[in-house]
Amino acid sequence: QSALTQSASVSGSPGQSITISCTGTSSDIGTYNLVSWYQHHPGKAPKLLIYEADKRPSGLSNRFSGSKSGSTASLTISGLQAEDEADYYCCSYAGYSTSVIFGGGTKLTVL
Amino acid sequence: EVQLVESGGGLVQPGGSLRLSCVASGFNFRSYWMSWVRQAPGKGLEWVANMRQDGGEKDYVDSVKGRFTISRDNAKNSLYVQMNSLRAEDTAVYYCARLRGGVWHFDLWGRGTLVTVSS
Repeated sequence: QSALTQSASVSGSPGQSITISCTGTSSDIGTYNLVSWYQHHPGKAPKLLIYEADKRPSGLSNRFSGSKSGSTASLTISGLQAEDEADYYCCSYAGYSTSVIFGGGTKLTVL
Repeated sequence: EVQLVESGGGLVQPGGSLRLSCVASGFNFRSYWMSWVRQAPGKGLEWVANMRQDGGEKDYVDSVKGRFTISRDNAKNSLYVQMNSLRAEDTAVYYCARLRGGVWHFDLWGRGTLVTVSS
């Protein structure tokens, strides 16, 4: 199964909002509401931001939000801060035999 | 502190073997599915393997089936992956991750251990 499709990079200025899209197929995002998003600062442990498409873990800033429509999921980060500069990955359940698949990752640059 | 700590990475020749370990602390390890996820240099994350709480169910990405074996020791709060017949394309940082089974997301990750397959 192919990886989910994400744009390679996105940028924004402090205080602005950005949206990262993640496109899948009817075999993954289009069928299951089990989309998650991760923030990864190189050299550190990845961090869960969103699960089940639009749920935030307890204690996570509400600047991070998720949504899903059809076979595309989106992550929105509002009020950009310098520390948001990182790589962001989407992930979806893809059925019993495949388990989960990740997107290729999007590098966020805060200008 | 709730954490996962991986170890066992290193340089290995093509065709060689390596065993990675992950020690969990701060939570009830035996209650969770656990996984290995890897990231090749310059590439994105790739799920490698999952294991159910009791070890009764294991799943692997196609590219490692027959070569990698995931296991766990709940008494030692530890997860393992035995990697045999290693190839250059297995070169990656390997992360241990806690998987919320049924809802399929990874809610806790380690910092990873680097495996380099090269002659």
